[in-house]
Amino acid sequence: AQKITQTQPGMFVQEKEAVTLDCTYDTSDPSYGLFWYKQPSSGEMIFLIYQGSYDQQNATEGRYSLNFQKARKSANLVISASQLGDSAMYFCAMREAYTGKLIFGQGTTLQVKP
Amino acid sequence: GAVVSQHPSWVICKSGTSVKIECRSLDFQATTMFWYRQFPKQSLMLMATSNEGSKATYEQGVEKDKFLINHASLTLSTLTVTSAHPEDSSFYICSATALGSRTKNIQYFGAGTRLSVL
Repeated sequence: AQKITQTQPGMFVQEKEAVTLDCTYDTSDPSYGLFWYKQPSSGEMIFLIYQGSYDQQNATEGRYSLNFQKARKSANLVISASQLGDSAMYFCAMREAYTGKLIFGQGTTLQVKP
Repeated sequence: GAVVSQHPSWVICKSGTSVKIECRSLDFQATTMFWYRQFPKQSLMLMATSNEGSKATYEQGVEKDKFLINHASLTLSTLTVTSAHPEDSSFYICSATALGSRTKNIQYFGAGTRLSVL
């Protein structure tokens, strides 16, 4: 069965520093997609970054980068130069190949300290 | 970018009444939309997959007669909570898939609906 695991319920980071949010996954499908979403207290789910299982390079989107280690089945999110507005809950998700469903991890609450 | 609009953002209703929540893809067509439920401090739980022009596919344990889903067009899916009870109070959020290699089949989410049943 496919599964996403986020082992960090909560994280703190100092403003302007970098932070890594962990995500491991389990699947037997050769083709899959990995996503990170940000959910602020308002509740909306904001798409941050995507990594395809066949992508050769790690995905980057502005201050967000995805450290994709296929052999270890990990897809950690790195946020550089943290800002106060980065305080939110972050979800890692994997897309099932045939159904398109997203399987979400438990989430990590990030708090950025001034 | 792809925009998904969800209305209402917040609704309070009396026990026994029905509530309809709309999910619209504003700048793209979505043959597939998804409906999730989320409890405080928890992850998203998929309720059903909504396919345009066909019946929704419900996840195990989700009552299809209680949570009616209609996907009548390529830009609109609705979730109706019928005969709502206090235990149905939750945060409901929809998503739509922007198809195509350029968009990487990303699911874009609406802003969510907070339902409170008195």
